[in-house]
Amino acid sequence: EAGVVQSPRYKIIEKKQPVAFWCNPISGHNTLYWYRQNLGQGPELLIRYENEEAVDDSQLPKDRFSAERLKGVDSTLKIQPAELGDSAVYLCASEQGRGREQFFGPGTRLTVL
Amino acid sequence: GQNIDQPTEMTATEGAIVQINCTYQTSGFNGLFWYQQHAGEAPTFLSYNVLDGLEEKGRFSSFLSRSKGYSYLLLKELQMKDSASYLCAVISKAAGNKLTFGGGTRVLVKP
Repeated sequence: EAGVVQSPRYKIIEKKQPVAFWCNPISGHNTLYWYRQNLGQGPELLIRYENEEAVDDSQLPKDRFSAERLKGVDSTLKIQPAELGDSAVYLCASEQGRGREQFFGPGTRLTVL
Repeated sequence: GQNIDQPTEMTATEGAIVQINCTYQTSGFNGLFWYQQHAGEAPTFLSYNVLDGLEEKGRFSSFLSRSKGYSYLLLKELQMKDSASYLCAVISKAAGNKLTFGGGTRVLVKP
């Protein structure tokens, strides 16, 4: 069974540029998460989806970050415009049922110059 | 809010045992997870505790005491490939039943 797929794996952009990350969760997993992980720290939740509905986006900086999961499968996370402090690894995870183990993708390492 | 504390770094010798402690403060506790994360890779699930006691899975064991807000991950017969970060994460009603991670403990296994 394929795991969580993310692309791109690496992205380098200049500040004020837009960037987008894509995630394809494990088939049948209705719950999808986007996390941000800074170096030497644990992942921090940005947004959680149940199917196509964003049920927890309280920690998403909505002035510059947006996300969508239109058909309840793939998801896209966008930053516009990017700032230097956005440099981090952006992880996508999916879960079959609430409160069970989450499966993480390999992440996208973003560097903002 | 939630507070999850674990040591930043630990060093151990190949073949030895290491215990990684995690303490947490939260209300509406619904479970505690341990994840392993090798440098540059995704976190992978190791264990889940929701009731008090010890859960053993091969060389890895995880313990939980809900009354003390305390867990530990025990790694036995350490191998070089066990060098990684170990993340403690708590799920609780106070946090909207989302997973909140500690900062991770980087374990370095030396020959």
